[in-house]
Amino acid sequence: NAGVTQTPKFQVLKTGQSMTLQCAQDMNHNSMYWYRQDPGMGLRLIYYSASEGTTDKGEVPNGYNVSRLNKREFSLRLESAAPSQTSVYFCASGGQGRYEQYFGPGTRLTVT
Amino acid sequence: LAKTTQPISMDSYEGQEVNITCSHNNIATNDYITWYQQFPSQGPRFIIQGYKTKVTNEVASLFIPADRKSSTLSLPRVSLSDTAVYYCLVGERLGANNLFFGTGTRLTVIP
Repeated sequence: NAGVTQTPKFQVLKTGQSMTLQCAQDMNHNSMYWYRQDPGMGLRLIYYSASEGTTDKGEVPNGYNVSRLNKREFSLRLESAAPSQTSVYFCASGGQGRYEQYFGPGTRLTVT
Repeated sequence: LAKTTQPISMDSYEGQEVNITCSHNNIATNDYITWYQQFPSQGPRFIIQGYKTKVTNEVASLFIPADRKSSTLSLPRVSLSDTAVYYCLVGERLGANNLFFGTGTRLTVIP
């Protein structure tokens, strides 16, 4: 039982490049989330998926797209990376309990 | 959306009990109070959740007064490994509109 896994762990992009961050969970959770955390700041929600086949915008969705590929996997895509997207990205999943989310180890992204 | 207010930072000596208070004046009837812990370079980890009165688990206790406008996370006999950022969240259910982590409280445990 690996919980929530994310790939890659680190990534450096040049401005304008694209990439996809992968997330998978093996806890059979319906809900999945993508957050970003800038240095010294709290987490901000980018997108979430309440169930397979549905996605919704969070607080800071601009510049990102998501895909809920199946119940296990939720990917985050940056179509044209910008330096303002330099951050640590966390994926999380949640089950039936109220407000308990399980987080992955994060992806540290630097855009130059 | 019930926003929360926490102290930015706290220091404590090893072995002491630490109480972190969170203010949530606009908490709604259906809202629950949840606390997360985050170590450097890791994702947040769920600690405890409650609705009213007192909740205790193997890690912490959560005290919620009758008016529910604040809550206190209590960590007994902290150790150096409890140095982390602690987030208080208030919300009704798992859903995007209820999720606001804020900047949390940075707890530093001193030897």
